[in-house]
Amino acid sequence: EPEVTQTPSHQVTQMGQEVILHCVPISNHLYFYWYRQILGQKVEFLVSFYNNEISEKSEIFDDQFSVERPDGSNFTLKIRSTKLEDSAMYFCASSDVLDTQYFGPGTRLTVL
Amino acid sequence: AQSVTQLDSHVSVSEGTPVLLRCNYSSSYSPSLFWYVQHPNKGLQLLLKYTSAATLVKGINGFEAEFKKSETSFHLTKPSAHMSDAAEYFCVVSPSSGGTSYGKLTFGQGTILTVHP
Repeated sequence: EPEVTQTPSHQVTQMGQEVILHCVPISNHLYFYWYRQILGQKVEFLVSFYNNEISEKSEIFDDQFSVERPDGSNFTLKIRSTKLEDSAMYFCASSDVLDTQYFGPGTRLTVL
Repeated sequence: AQSVTQLDSHVSVSEGTPVLLRCNYSSSYSPSLFWYVQHPNKGLQLLLKYTSAATLVKGINGFEAEFKKSETSFHLTKPSAHMSDAAEYFCVVSPSSGGTSYGKLTFGQGTILTVHP
């Protein structure tokens, strides 16, 4: 069964460093998403992406964040200058229609 | 605007007994509703979804949920719990077509299900 994959599973970085989180969505899906879950809090929507542009973004998704689909298979989330409060589990998701999203296993980002 | 409230942060049951995980939602549009499950160190797996067809929705692993518009509820049930059901469960809402945030999922805070032998 096709699945969404994410790498790395765990990323440790120093505050102020740039990180790129990688996702490979399900191959025939057209809609892509990033969510995050800070420890002990709800899963929060960050951004949705369709047709090579952002469809919607949350207030969390400020200028420090960017997304890109650099080729036909990858979907990345970049954080330019990480802060301590960016420490969270980041989930990538994809869907072929807008109502059912399939999630990857997540990348745990730890900012020191 | 949409929101989801899961009424219990923890539920503990014995193996073989029924499971009830409660969820209430609020949505400005006719919503799509989902239950996802997250096992330790695993990703979010779709259990079932409601998208304005039958109000009783059957999912994987014997779970089902009933959409009750009058009560704005979407509770998850299973007749007989299994040890492998121990996980965290998330109730999720998305506006269906017509919503300005179509595709944006809003999660409840999660319910941790513990199953005792």
